[in-house]
Amino acid sequence: SSELTQDPAVSVALGQTVRITCQGDSLSTFYASWYQQKPGQAPVVVMYGKSNRPSGIPDRFSGSSSGNTASLTITGAQAEDEADYYCISRDDSGNQWLFGGGSKLTVL
Amino acid sequence: QAQLVQSGAEVRKPGASVKVSCKASGYTFTNYPIHWVRQAPGQRLEWMGWINAGNGNTKYSQKFEGRVTITRDTSASTAYMELSSLRSEDTAVYFCAKSTAIAVKNDYYYYMDVWGKGTTVTVSS
Repeated sequence: SSELTQDPAVSVALGQTVRITCQGDSLSTFYASWYQQKPGQAPVVVMYGKSNRPSGIPDRFSGSSSGNTASLTITGAQAEDEADYYCISRDDSGNQWLFGGGSKLTVL
Repeated sequence: QAQLVQSGAEVRKPGASVKVSCKASGYTFTNYPIHWVRQAPGQRLEWMGWINAGNGNTKYSQKFEGRVTITRDTSASTAYMELSSLRSEDTAVYFCAKSTAIAVKNDYYYYMDVWGKGTTVTVSS
């Protein structure tokens, strides 16, 4: 498959939990990684692999994967988490990289 | 601390070419591939291609095949992305990103751990 599908917009009340999902056939072969992008800035990786957080990423961020769906969960969302979130993975051949369409997270 | 520093903003006319550079520091350049990703104004991130910085092998997105060329200069620890036959739709911010892979038991985790700040390319007559 050559697509990763994300919900374009997601919202969460301050302090609540939100899950952002990413669907694609290649996710049954390769794990997704997740990136946070704020306006005018480069993306920053927040999750990779099964549920691995790079250093400096708060532990309210967690990840999971099942079948052809990857999820990024923010437990206790903060105002600073408002951003676009993208999932990225490799395609089934491993030669191409796929980007989800991005999910705009609004913290209410 | 690994870092990628990109060249400055460019303005080109339709039909021209542009070459953007991405200088790496803080790690062994030849050990990690470099991706090129672009983002048109208000649009999603879009993968363009990548280069194995060690042997120079490349893979390109089918969308850009024939118009994009990614190269590297190991002596300068720098990767380059050249896009030809520019059109207005190529107006975008172009990012380079370092690719990494981690082996955990029988799994491999692939991700882009370091990004450049981006280079704005404007195509306008």
